[in-house]
Amino acid sequence: GAVVSQHPSRVICKSGTSVKIECRSLDFQATTMFWYRQFPKQSLMLMATSNEGSKATYEQGVEKDKFLINHASLTLSTLTVTSAHPEDSSFYICSAGVDSGNTIYFGEGSWLTVV
Amino acid sequence: GEDVEQSLFLSVREGDSSVINCTYTDSSSTYLYWYKQEPGAGLQLLTYIFSNMDMKQDQRLTVLLNKKDKHLSLRIADTQTGDSAIYFCGTSGGYQKVTFGTGTKLQVIP
Repeated sequence: GAVVSQHPSRVICKSGTSVKIECRSLDFQATTMFWYRQFPKQSLMLMATSNEGSKATYEQGVEKDKFLINHASLTLSTLTVTSAHPEDSSFYICSAGVDSGNTIYFGEGSWLTVV
Repeated sequence: GEDVEQSLFLSVREGDSSVINCTYTDSSSTYLYWYKQEPGAGLQLLTYIFSNMDMKQDQRLTVLLNKKDKHLSLRIADTQTGDSAIYFCGTSGGYQKVTFGTGTKLQVIP
């Protein structure tokens, strides 16, 4: 079946540095992917919609200059957390669906720790 | 905006049935999902139901939808210790963007 893969699954970075998280659809093309963030013991909140070949659409309150999203191909979207701070430490997870389908697949998620 | 609510915690004995409830506010929700999240892991799609359905059964899982009351439930028959996890319900208007509930932590007591 369709699979969405994220990398890395865990990353530790220093404050002030940038870190990139990749989201790949392995056996299907996805013109749209979604990035979510989950704070400890809380639900998942949509951060942005990643559109292949165009700018991402960010949810209210999400800093687009801090969370850079690039969707350069039909199978890859990247989220770059720039100038990371400890409060950016969180679980980031992406999703994608087959364009004509209703099933939404999620990646394994990426645990980011900023020290 | 869209609001999806779940109870935070449910404890059941192994072998019993578990029922996890979810209410939502957006009447235009077309697809309703149940996801499972084990500690330290990502989201696993368990099942989903279209808004024009009342019930869907898949092995030990039964989803019931009361569209009038905007109430969704997930019943797990013969609950096992491996079912211990956080269960999220989610709604979507058909554009693949999912609004999630707060998650229900299911604890299965041996």
